Amino acid sequence: QKEVEQNSGPLSVPEGAIASLNCTYSDRVSQSFFWYRQYSGKSPELIMSIYSNGDKEDGRFTAQLNKASQYVSLLIRDSQPSDSATYLCAVNAPYNQGGKLIFGQGTELSVKP
Amino acid sequence: DAGITQSPRHKVTETGTPVTLRCHQTENHRYMYWYRQDPGHGLRLIHYSYGVKDTDKGEVSDGYSVSRSKTEDFLLTLESATSSQTSVYFCAIKFGTGVIGPNTEAFFGQGTRLTVV
Repeated sequence: QKEVEQNSGPLSVPEGAIASLNCTYSDRVSQSFFWYRQYSGKSPELIMSIYSNGDKEDGRFTAQLNKASQYVSLLIRDSQPSDSATYLCAVNAPYNQGGKLIFGQGTELSVKP
Repeated sequence: DAGITQSPRHKVTETGTPVTLRCHQTENHRYMYWYRQDPGHGLRLIHYSYGVKDTDKGEVSDGYSVSRSKTEDFLLTLESATSSQTSVYFCAIKFGTGVIGPNTEAFFGQGTRLTVV
């Protein structure tokens, strides 16, 4: 089992719809979770971080964390063509592992006008 | 902009030659990381550093070495490049290595596209 798993997609949604991206992780002691956006040919860009159970909202983005189910999600409301990118879920490794981030494969999102 | 510069941005090299990639940061962060990104594999950690001359291996470290003689520079060396090392390489920095909170966020450089022919 991979440590962090995402559906690779592609996920296609119409403009204005809600895009839902999902991620599961295997290490129960993980406590910090991140979503990165990566445009083609560019570097990953941090868009959301979440540390406690529940929802965290930032503009059109909402991150959701359920530690009991080991599940993290990202909702993008009112999706725009400019949101088309690959979204990477990352989990902070437990302490004594150099603080590394463990990444999922990424989900490719396509927002159609 | 997290003050991270990778060089070179693009490189084509021949099989068997040594290659060194450089990551330079301007913000005096202690923790630095080298990842590679390949289709179907996401980002995989090669090596990381938690201080000057303090480094450790990641999950895909075979064929790579690193050095950190100054806080601001983290070098990745491919000792004898192979075609399987054709990839995009990203450097990342972190403020800290706590297990929770903003200090656990990582920021990436622009990447180096390496092709081994």
